[in-house]
Amino acid sequence: GENVEQHPSTLSVQEGDSAVIKCTYSDSASNYFPWYKQELGKRPQLIIDIRSNVGEKKDQRIAVTLNKTAKHFSLHITETQPEDSAVYFCAARGWGDMRFGAGTRLTVKP
Amino acid sequence: SAVISQKPSRDICQRGTSLTIQCQVDSQVTMMFWYRQQPGQSLTLIATANQGSEATYESGFVIDKFPISRPNLTFSTLTVSNMSPEDSSIYLCSVEDPGARKAAVDTQYFGPGTRLTVL
Repeated sequence: GENVEQHPSTLSVQEGDSAVIKCTYSDSASNYFPWYKQELGKRPQLIIDIRSNVGEKKDQRIAVTLNKTAKHFSLHITETQPEDSAVYFCAARGWGDMRFGAGTRLTVKP
Repeated sequence: SAVISQKPSRDICQRGTSLTIQCQVDSQVTMMFWYRQQPGQSLTLIATANQGSEATYESGFVIDKFPISRPNLTFSTLTVSNMSPEDSSIYLCSVEDPGARKAAVDTQYFGPGTRLTVL
């Protein structure tokens, strides 16, 4: 089955800097890659997703890139703000169920 | 996106008892999922619940411990049976966006979760 690895586990940046979180997956049949943001005590919220026929997708300060050959995808947050502080989960899905990475705790220092 | 609610939002239970968690969606969805999230951990899929068929359980989860019902396309329940402190966790239901299949996007949304503490 699918195995998703996520790095780093924790990330601390200064407000205004960029943050990058990377994930790798094992199943070459995976074709859908969402990212979720989970604030303390709240549900995971979908923030951006990408399908395998696209190499990059951007939504304001958030972008995701996908390299199918290398089987890795990344989340990029630019101009970080304190409200970006949260745990971020990547996930991958192919024919099977959605599999989640272990999560990255992002802290944005004002 | 679908609006998902769960009951109860939290509960404190005694060892050996059972708790049934309800998940309600405001639109009909084919696939519903139940996840467990232990403190500081990622999301682990317990089972997939499709209306009209038996739930499909992931490795490490069994029907006797986590029976699931799916009586219609907007509702599901997960029961945590014969609880022990190791079952203390957040339990989340999740659904695929009912509109997603038309757009061929496998978007999943989560309910608010049920925080379970077993003493």
